[in-house]
Amino acid sequence: DAGVIQSPRHEVTEMGQEVTLRCKPISGHDYLFWYRQTMMRGLELLIYFNNNVPIDDSGMPEDRFSAKMPNASFSTLKIQPSEPRDSAVYFCASSSSGPTDTQYFGPGTRLTVL
Amino acid sequence: AQSVTQLDSHVSVSEGTPVLLRCNYSSSYSPSLFWYVQHPNKGLQLLLKYTSAATLVKGINGFEAEFKKSETSFHLTKPSAHMSDAAEYFCVVSGFSGGYNKLIFGAGTRLAVHP
Repeated sequence: DAGVIQSPRHEVTEMGQEVTLRCKPISGHDYLFWYRQTMMRGLELLIYFNNNVPIDDSGMPEDRFSAKMPNASFSTLKIQPSEPRDSAVYFCASSSSGPTDTQYFGPGTRLTVL
Repeated sequence: AQSVTQLDSHVSVSEGTPVLLRCNYSSSYSPSLFWYVQHPNKGLQLLLKYTSAATLVKGINGFEAEFKKSETSFHLTKPSAHMSDAAEYFCVVSGFSGGYNKLIFGAGTRLAVHP
């Protein structure tokens, strides 16, 4: 299996622009997670989906962030408008067994907002 | 509420010497516990997982961890460090927060290995 796939790997944008991060989970995994990693706050769960339905979005920072999962093999995390404080590495992870079982992480997208 | 504390933010060892990364957890029930490793500019990779079977868990690359309920600890060890072990290590506990089940990550321990 190819593992969790994320694109782009790096994104540099200017403040105010829209940013879309993409994720393809491991085939057959019913759970998909979006995390954000920063030096100051560590690894934070933003949102997770089960069978394409958002379950817990309590970690989404504010209305500028939105996530969708239109089908079992694709999810997006969108930031509009982006701000410099959104600069971080964003990880997607998937699991076949639930939110407290083994999660398999993608390589991450490093976002820099100027 | 569940929580996890990694007692050292940085650990430095010489190649060929033992590695000890310390983790304490807090949980009101028997949790699942994990160690993940993150190499520079990479995603997190599962090293090992404890789920109430054997208390000594063996993982990949020669790592192992021992679950000690009386001490609420889950320390990660390796007998002999290799240069390729230099990375950040995360101790993780299963938990319930904000009304949902989720994994709770420690702050991480950065392991440096010197020749």
